[in-house]
Formats: sequence, structure tokens, C-alpha cells
Amino acid sequence: DQQVKQNSPSLSVQEGRISILNCDYTNSMFDYFLWYKKYPAEGPTFLISISSIKDKNEDGRFTVFLNKSAKHLSLHIVPSQPGDSAVYFCAASSLYNFNKFYFGSGTKLNVKP
Amino acid sequence: DGGITQSPKYLFRKEGQNVTLSCEQNLNHDAMYWYRQDPGQGLRLIYYSQIVNDFQKGDIAEGYSVSREKKESFPLTVTSAQKNPTAFYLCASGGTGATEAFFGQGTRLTVV
Repeated sequence: DQQVKQNSPSLSVQEGRISILNCDYTNSMFDYFLWYKKYPAEGPTFLISISSIKDKNEDGRFTVFLNKSAKHLSLHIVPSQPGDSAVYFCAASSLYNFNKFYFGSGTKLNVKP
Repeated sequence: DGGITQSPKYLFRKEGQNVTLSCEQNLNHDAMYWYRQDPGQGLRLIYYSQIVNDFQKGDIAEGYSVSREKKESFPLTVTSAQKNPTAFYLCASGGTGATEAFFGQGTRLTVV
């Protein structure tokens, strides 16, 4: 059973608008969350992370929000650019089982010029 | 250049043959991982190793084997017991603690 879920396989957004990618998790022991970006035939690259002691973390155009009570996190990209078109994976880990990362199935973002 | 290197990028093998995928890192990371990606699915953990000479099964270890004789290297062998070996394989490494994992470029294995 998947412990990290991304229920939207794809998302299409106009350039300049906000992209919101969502992720849900089931394991309440998870306390560290990450977003990765992946282009075809390449390895994922780390984008941004958040610890469970925070509810928001910002890095330039990218902001991750964490709602622990809902076991939900989201990645906001503002403004979206065509170069942001990629597959985005969320991942989670726990300090009690550190270094073991669980990944969602990914959301393919298409930013239209 | 610091990084994690997987080779080869593309690999073709006949059914029933064992094949070994290479993964090397020069980031001085203790932890290394192997993931498998199939279309429409997330990255599923095959094996991981937190220190040299120690490794743990992930969620889909059946049909795979690994070794960790050196800190820099974590090769993955796909054995003939793996029923559906055709996939995109990703190796990653990470520092101690729940920090991010750094990924290699991946190896696409096709078994014919």
C-alpha cells in the first residue's frame, strides 16, 4: 500500500499562473518531506523540503506547505514557466527510519507558453 | 566534479541472464539506494545501505541483490528470478539523517 500518494497524474497551467501540486501521506511517523523534479530519462533533482516542525518553506518561486493534521502537503510554483514542465515527485521520510524515502507516483506538469 | 554516476545509461539483456548495474558516488555519502521506476508509478525502493558492508531490503527486493564493499559503490544485480526486470533504475545517495537523496541519471534496462 502506497504511503505517499499524488492523486493527480497530470496538471496543465498557463505560463505566469500558479501551479499547485498536491501530495497526501498516510504514515503519521513521517516528519520530513521533499519535492523532486524529473525530466524524461534523467534522475530526479531535489527541489525543496520541509520539516514537520514547519508549515511553510519558501525558495524563490517554489513554496511548500505542510498540513500535518490533514497529512497533506502541496508545492506552489509562482509564476509558472515553460521550463518548469516536468514530473514532480513528493517524498517522505522519518527520523525513526531515517534515510528511507517513500515516493509518490508523480504529477506531470505542463506549463503552456 | 562531485556526483553520482550510473552506468550504462541503456542496457539490453536476454531473458534469463543476470545483469549488474553500476552506481558510484564521490559525495562521501554513507547511505546509498536503488529505486525502480515503472510507467505511472512512483519510485519504489529495492535496496538501501546505510554503511559499508550493510544493506537492507526495500519494498521490492525479490529478484535483486546488492553489495556494499566500498563506500563509493553500490552495484545492483538483477537476477533471472526477477519476473519483470524491464524498468528504469535509479541509484541515489544521501548523507546521515533525513536529508535529501541525490540521484544518478538512471539506467534503462530492457530485457528481451
